[in-house]
Amino acid sequence: GQQVMQIPQYQHVQEGEDFTTYCNSSTTLSNIQWYKQRPGGHPVFLIQLVKSGEVKKQKRLTFQFGEAKKNSSLHITATQTTDVGTYFCAGPSSGYALNFGKGTSLLVTP
Amino acid sequence: NAGVTQTPKFQVLKTGQSMTLQCAQDMNHNSMYWYRQDPGMGLRLIYYSASEGTTDKGEVPNGYNVSRLNKREFSLRLESAAPSQTSVYFCASSGDRFSYEQYFGPGTRLTVT
Repeated sequence: GQQVMQIPQYQHVQEGEDFTTYCNSSTTLSNIQWYKQRPGGHPVFLIQLVKSGEVKKQKRLTFQFGEAKKNSSLHITATQTTDVGTYFCAGPSSGYALNFGKGTSLLVTP
Repeated sequence: NAGVTQTPKFQVLKTGQSMTLQCAQDMNHNSMYWYRQDPGMGLRLIYYSASEGTTDKGEVPNGYNVSRLNKREFSLRLESAAPSQTSVYFCASSGDRFSYEQYFGPGTRLTVT
């Protein structure tokens, strides 16, 4: 399956600042998914992107899938303390399995 | 509707001991997965079962075995635990062949001493 690289590994922001995490693959992805994991919790599905150049929004979260379907980003506008956690991107592997990036851990200081 | 359940939540083993991690889902999903999560390593796939009766190796299968007991249940066995298997183990399932969305259980925190 394709390997997905995610940057940055960590991000520390003040509440109200914006945050972006990036996901890159060396090969074209048929789709990409994003998950959020709160500290001590389990990953929770956020969204799936399928189309080239697709942009989806969920309140303050904006997800983009690159034109070449090799990269994706998650942008959070005006972070809140409830945004704390680790954000993972994942690309398809064999069958319906996923290859997860190593994640970006977001810390938000009030 | 409990989603994906895992037992136990915590376990401490001595090197060489064996144990089975249990996972069950009540969403009628076809596919089930076992991942391990280590600090800085993200989620790594151990084994998966695309459908009842089939199992396949993932990225890190060595030291583990799995059984897809029926459509609901997918267990992970450590035959001879090693300290390198200290990790958090997550079971997940997915069911829609048009979406890869996976639903995760709460995890099992395993320490091998």
